[in-house]
Amino acid sequence: GAVVSQHPSWVICKSGTSVKIECRSLDFQATTMFWYRQFPKQSLMLMATSNEGSKATYEQGVEKDKFLINHASLTLSTLTVTSAHPEDSSFYICSAFGADSSYEQYFGPGTRLTVT
Amino acid sequence: AQSVTQLDSHVSVSEGTPVLLRCNYSSSYSPSLFWYVQHPNKGLQLLLKYTSAATLVKGINGFEAEFKKSETSFHLTKPSAHMSDAAEYFCVVSDEYTGNQFYFGTGTSLTVIP
Repeated sequence: GAVVSQHPSWVICKSGTSVKIECRSLDFQATTMFWYRQFPKQSLMLMATSNEGSKATYEQGVEKDKFLINHASLTLSTLTVTSAHPEDSSFYICSAFGADSSYEQYFGPGTRLTVT
Repeated sequence: AQSVTQLDSHVSVSEGTPVLLRCNYSSSYSPSLFWYVQHPNKGLQLLLKYTSAATLVKGINGFEAEFKKSETSFHLTKPSAHMSDAAEYFCVVSDEYTGNQFYFGTGTSLTVIP
């Protein structure tokens, strides 16, 4: 149980376009999901906390108008990178608290975004 | 404030020898501690977790970690390294005070020499 999926696993887009990444909890309902960003050979950086039915909470320094988060259902959160630039190229990972636990996060496999 | 320090950015061991990856944490409340492994271009896999039960925690693939409150440490060990253990390892701390938000260490890259 507690499986989290992400789609797509890998995406290439051109500068100026927008890209949407989906994060789904496959076998449980997730009221809270998290979005992380990871640069090569670096640790994960929390971008925002996504709460079902309400606005996301962004970490300091993360542009909320650039990284749009929507948590419209208990099993789906989306991250849209708007007007992407090469510096947005990164590995994006989502996670969620499992249904049986509010202290352990289950991680998705990540999405590799490359902006050309 | 919550934080994690992974003392070694890179560890290199020979196959069949013990592995020690060090982690020290800072937490104002009773922490939950985790070790995750990440293989290249892959997501995170949970190795083991400590959540106020037994202080010696056994995880998958022969890994274990011991929670030492007096030393604020949660070091990861394995008796005998395997080639497949080569990966990036992250120590994570969380606690209820911060809504169980995860605080990641900077990671330790483990190389296993054949």
